[in-house]
Amino acid sequence: QKEVEQNSGPLSVPEGAIASLNCTYSDRGSQSFFWYRQYSGKSPELIMFIYSNGDKEDGRFTAQLNKASQYVSLLIRDSQPSDSATYLCAVMDSNYQLIWGAGTKLIIKP
Amino acid sequence: DAGVIQSPRHEVTEMGQEVTLRCKPISGHDYLFWYRQTMMRGLELLIYFNNNVPIDDSGMPEDRFSAKMPNASFSTLKIQPSEPRDSAVYFCASAFTVTGMNTEAFFGQGTRLTVV
Repeated sequence: QKEVEQNSGPLSVPEGAIASLNCTYSDRGSQSFFWYRQYSGKSPELIMFIYSNGDKEDGRFTAQLNKASQYVSLLIRDSQPSDSATYLCAVMDSNYQLIWGAGTKLIIKP
Repeated sequence: DAGVIQSPRHEVTEMGQEVTLRCKPISGHDYLFWYRQTMMRGLELLIYFNNNVPIDDSGMPEDRFSAKMPNASFSTLKIQPSEPRDSAVYFCASAFTVTGMNTEAFFGQGTRLTVV
């Protein structure tokens, strides 16, 4: 059973601080890694994807991938109240299937 | 493009009734996915199509669920008969590809189904 694990939270972070979201996966053959954001009552939307080991930065967001440790993370710098949402980690496995984590609820406190 | 369009947005039905959920994917996307989301189980893939052909339906809970994609611009998910445990938000998503770089899945707004 291929799995993607996330801490369900909620993760509470003060406004302006760095929010760190983590995800581990079981399939070593996984190829692509995605972070989706889902606001309450809305649909998931893609915010970052990463394919290679290391860091990938996009504005206030940085995705980090470590395939040896089977670990992917998302850092949000200068957190804003509008970042409060559930963050879903999705991993494309060796069969090109997207496996989803249960999501981490992030709360940014003003 | 207007994005992935789902209908209805909300559906309340009585146990035992047939429910049909509809989806129009983004034009040009070859992949269409049906997901179910609940608090307990998170986001679950039910079935996906490639070029209108069902590829993997192993996530379909049981025979009460069926999905069709008669053409590239339309898909349905049917539950017959519906049960209270089917209550969830059902998402349709489409993607251009699942290999290479352009693998983003675009989600519709979802259908919130309540079976009473």
